[in-house]
Amino acid sequence: SQQGEEDPQALSIQEGENATMNCSYKTSINNLQWYRQNSGRGLVHLILIRSNEREKHSGRLRVTLDTSKKSSSLLITASRAADTASYFCATSQVGGSTLGRLYFGRGTQLTVWP
Amino acid sequence: NAGVMQNPRHLVRRRGQEARLRCSPMKGHSHVYWYRQLPEEGLKFMVYLQKENIIDESGMPKERFSAEFPKEGPSILRIQQVVRGDSAAYFCASSLRGLAGEEQYFGPGTRLTVT
Repeated sequence: SQQGEEDPQALSIQEGENATMNCSYKTSINNLQWYRQNSGRGLVHLILIRSNEREKHSGRLRVTLDTSKKSSSLLITASRAADTASYFCATSQVGGSTLGRLYFGRGTQLTVWP
Repeated sequence: NAGVMQNPRHLVRRRGQEARLRCSPMKGHSHVYWYRQLPEEGLKFMVYLQKENIIDESGMPKERFSAEFPKEGPSILRIQQVVRGDSAAYFCASSLRGLAGEEQYFGPGTRLTVT
């Protein structure tokens, strides 16, 4: 079954504001990754956070992971119009025969207005 | 270009025809994953292959779909007798070691339209 679910489905903000997207999942994970997809394009890997990490930063991105709540958040600070895209979380499950498989949520569509 | 390559980028097929989608992984990568994305949805896993082997095909429909990754050449996702419901974007990803949760590098996708 689908693993991650992002919230909100859509987010619309002004340039300079911060954007926060959340992801919830159902089972134990090895790690959680965030990807970005521009309209009609492929996915670009943004950041990976391991199950034993609580927070990670990369440039204007900040990711948190709460394994007790099975949730993660992606914060984009000082957003720009070029950040407009869909953002997906993807998880890798522990054990089983699912080696290598990533489970994606439906994504959050972020629109940043100039 | 050292990234994941997919071709064609767009493919239009009539119902009943065959669709062949190709994926060349990143240089040095021998692990390939195929995902399908329906409109307004996330990606869903289809199949995981290593050179000449299918490792996990549990996400593949039982009929009409097949995948291969030969010793030489690209990985191919083949859809026989396409139907309108096959219209979607098909993405290929590759990884270096095939480890659980390892970063996967995605290609630009092939957008299949069945008319």
